[in-house]
Amino acid sequence: AQKVTQAQTEISVVEKEDVTLDCVYETRDTTYYLFWYKQPPSGELVFLIRRNSFDEQNEISGRYSWNFQKSTSSFNFTITASQVVDSAVYFCALNQNSWGKFQFGAGTQVVVTP
Amino acid sequence: GAVVSQHPSWVICKSGTSVKIECRSLDFQATTMFWYRQFPKQSLMLMATSNEGSKATYEQGVEKDKFLINHASLTLSTLTVTSAHPEDSSFYICSAPDRDNSPLHFGNGTRLTVT
Repeated sequence: AQKVTQAQTEISVVEKEDVTLDCVYETRDTTYYLFWYKQPPSGELVFLIRRNSFDEQNEISGRYSWNFQKSTSSFNFTITASQVVDSAVYFCALNQNSWGKFQFGAGTQVVVTP
Repeated sequence: GAVVSQHPSWVICKSGTSVKIECRSLDFQATTMFWYRQFPKQSLMLMATSNEGSKATYEQGVEKDKFLINHASLTLSTLTVTSAHPEDSSFYICSAPDRDNSPLHFGNGTRLTVT
């Protein structure tokens, strides 16, 4: 069975602080995909990143960076120099292929105050 | 880029009525679409997989007679909440993969409130 755990329910930071969101996953598949999505208050899901299980390279995109560690089954997400617009719920998700049905984590609410 | 359109964005209905939600892939064909439900401050839970030309596959615990799914064409899947009750009030969101194996595209969701 697949499982995604986001232990942090809510994180509050002041603007310009860094924030790291934890994601731990469980799967028996050797090939799988990990994702992060952002859900602002309006509700839509905004795709942030996709990683396959064979690519453990960390990635940086602007203020966002991701740390994939297969040895600890973790795929953590860091927002550097947070901004108020980063306030949203962030979901980590897992699936067997890059297009199939997802197993979502519970989500982490990020609140950035000025 | 590829877009999934969901309609309506929000709907308020009275208890006992039925509500239809549409999910359209705008510039690609989707033989498969997925329907998720999200209760307030909770995660997204897969309800069913919609298959073009065949019956939908429902996740355990989801009543297929209550949540009717019809995938009538390669660009349209509909979810009908039949005899809606207040406990069906939720955020419903669909997703669809396009051909080039891109990440799943999600609709903007439908907020259903049953009074």
